[in-house]
Amino acid sequence: QVQLQQSGPGLVEPSQTLSLTCAISGDSVSNNKVAWNWIRQSPSRGLEWLGKTQYGSKWSNDYAVSVRSRITINPDTSKNQFSLHLNAVTPEDTAIYYCVRDYKWAFDIWGQGTVVTVSS
Amino acid sequence: EIVLTQSPGTLSLSPGERATLSCRASQSVGGRYLAWYQQKIGQPPRLLIYGTSIRATGIPDRFSGSGSGTDFALTITRLEPEDFAVYYCQQYASSPITFGQGTRLEIK
Repeated sequence: QVQLQQSGPGLVEPSQTLSLTCAISGDSVSNNKVAWNWIRQSPSRGLEWLGKTQYGSKWSNDYAVSVRSRITINPDTSKNQFSLHLNAVTPEDTAIYYCVRDYKWAFDIWGQGTVVTVSS
Repeated sequence: EIVLTQSPGTLSLSPGERATLSCRASQSVGGRYLAWYQQKIGQPPRLLIYGTSIRATGIPDRFSGSGSGTDFALTITRLEPEDFAVYYCQQYASSPITFGQGTRLEIK
């Protein structure tokens, strides 16, 4: 079955870059029937979609306006994984971060979540 | 941005009762673009319903979804103890993808 395994630091200093990786098993990052997303959850903001990457005839990304100037999501076909980079973080970026597959316009497979705290 | 408003915020019911959760969108959402999730403490959300009314793999038939346009509902007939959790609706009709703020279903 499809599984997503997240990795990355749980503590990031303010103004630095938050970087997380999501390793995919049981599916391919190049599957053109799905998209690969990052979603975060915090008490103040609830569930917040951050962005996605997907392969059609070429790779394309879509990002939430709230983070568009700071976010990059990259696929890595050689390792069958995708990554999140969020720069210039502040304490407001403290949240649980999830990598998630979407299929038929719904999020059907979720990673285990990574608690990320932005603090010095 | 499409805003999803869920009601009630908290629903207190007993096992065996029927639960109806509401999700109202600020703009019309096509039927294929509305989904529901269940989340328990310490776990990621779990997909229950997609395309307004299609149960995800392994979801019991006591869960059902309905609605169209801007008004959608999740119904749980005959509540089981494991159904007490937080439920979210989500739309994919337009970017950004958004979620409702959640309904907490608690044991009365």
